[in-house]
Amino acid sequence: SQQGEEDPQALSIQEGENATMNCSYKTSINNLQWYRQNSGRGLVHLILIRSNEREKHSGRLRVTLDTSKKSSSLLITASRAADTASYFCATAGTGANNLFFGTGTRLTVIP
Amino acid sequence: EAGVAQSPRYKIIEKRQSVAFWCNPISGHATLYWYQQILGQGPKLLIQFQNNGVVDDSQLPKDRFSAERLKGVDSTLKIQPAKLEDSAVYLCASSSLPKETQYFGPGTRLLVL
Repeated sequence: SQQGEEDPQALSIQEGENATMNCSYKTSINNLQWYRQNSGRGLVHLILIRSNEREKHSGRLRVTLDTSKKSSSLLITASRAADTASYFCATAGTGANNLFFGTGTRLTVIP
Repeated sequence: EAGVAQSPRYKIIEKRQSVAFWCNPISGHATLYWYQQILGQGPKLLIQFQNNGVVDDSQLPKDRFSAERLKGVDSTLKIQPAKLEDSAVYLCASSSLPKETQYFGPGTRLLVL
């Protein structure tokens, strides 16, 4: 399956700490995307990293991509209570024309 | 810029009934997606449209699910008849190009009793 798998499934940290979540996938990709989903809401796009990129930043977010290991990580620095959400990685394969979503990491930031 | 609109937000039906969901994508987005998200899981693609043509419907249970995108803008997803296992959130998303950033609507939460 092309579906990404996030690790850990759940993460609980104190406000101000950094949160790191990982995504592994199985096939060649065109790009990898991270999305956030607040409880009961739609998904919000966070960042897209292409297969020829190794690292990308957006505000407090840092994404890395290692195509040799077929893995990506999302780092949220100086976390806030509002960062509490589920985070999904989604892979765009070289063959298919759509995204495959993982099962997500549930992040809880304790005030 | 207006986002992706979906309606209704919530729907409760009994099994074997039918239900329809509506989606209006971001203006100018040629690609439209319908996902099913079961509680605790990631979104699963049901169908992808490019303009008004179907690109991928390999995971759509065609015996009970149908979708259309007339005129290449709005789309409707129908379930007939519904089963208990169809209880989920149905998400609509759109993008300017396949594989690129997708913009999601708020979803329709369906409960089948």
